[in-house]
Amino acid sequence: KAGVTQTPRYLIKTRGQQVTLSCSPISGHRSVSWYQQTPGQGLQFLFEYFSETQRNKGNFPGRFSGRQFSNSRSEMNVSTLELGDSALYLCASSPGAAAANTGELFFGEGSRLTVL
Amino acid sequence: AQSVTQPDIHITVSEGASLELRCNYSYGATPYLFWYVQSPGQGLQLLLKYFSGDTLVQGIKGFEAEFKRSQSSFNLRKPSVHWSDAAEYFCAVGPRTSYGKLTFGQGTILTVHP
Repeated sequence: KAGVTQTPRYLIKTRGQQVTLSCSPISGHRSVSWYQQTPGQGLQFLFEYFSETQRNKGNFPGRFSGRQFSNSRSEMNVSTLELGDSALYLCASSPGAAAANTGELFFGEGSRLTVL
Repeated sequence: AQSVTQPDIHITVSEGASLELRCNYSYGATPYLFWYVQSPGQGLQLLLKYFSGDTLVQGIKGFEAEFKRSQSSFNLRKPSVHWSDAAEYFCAVGPRTSYGKLTFGQGTILTVHP
């Protein structure tokens, strides 16, 4: 069974640009969550999507947005990039439905964003 | 608000020595508890989880953890460390219906000396 796939793995952008990151969950998983990981702040929850709807969100500015498609693939977008947005962005999937939910998240390898 | 504290930022052990990584949590109800491991440049891999029942849980790679409700702790242990265990370890807490949101500790970096 293929794991969570994130693309691209590495990217470099300049301040003011925008970026879109992609995540394909494990087959059959309908929930996709996004996390930002930085040395200073650690792992911080961005948002979670289930059946194309945002079901939960963290405390990030509106520049951070996401969406989920009918095949459960998800994208996150960061607009007007700032230096502080440099981070490893991790995607995680889970079954999502209450009956199947164990709270466990399955993580991808991440997309490393550098903002210059 | 829920929180997770990993008191040790960096731990160094010799190969073959025993290991204990500490994790304390603050949570309003009985949480679901997890330990994840992250190798450099990689994502997080689940080592073990606690939902209910036996407070001593076994995980992959020879790791185990013990849930102590009275101490709000969920410490990770391994009797004999291997050089390949060098990585960063994260303790996390969340409700069953977490809707993707786990609260993570700041992580403990493990260095293994030959």
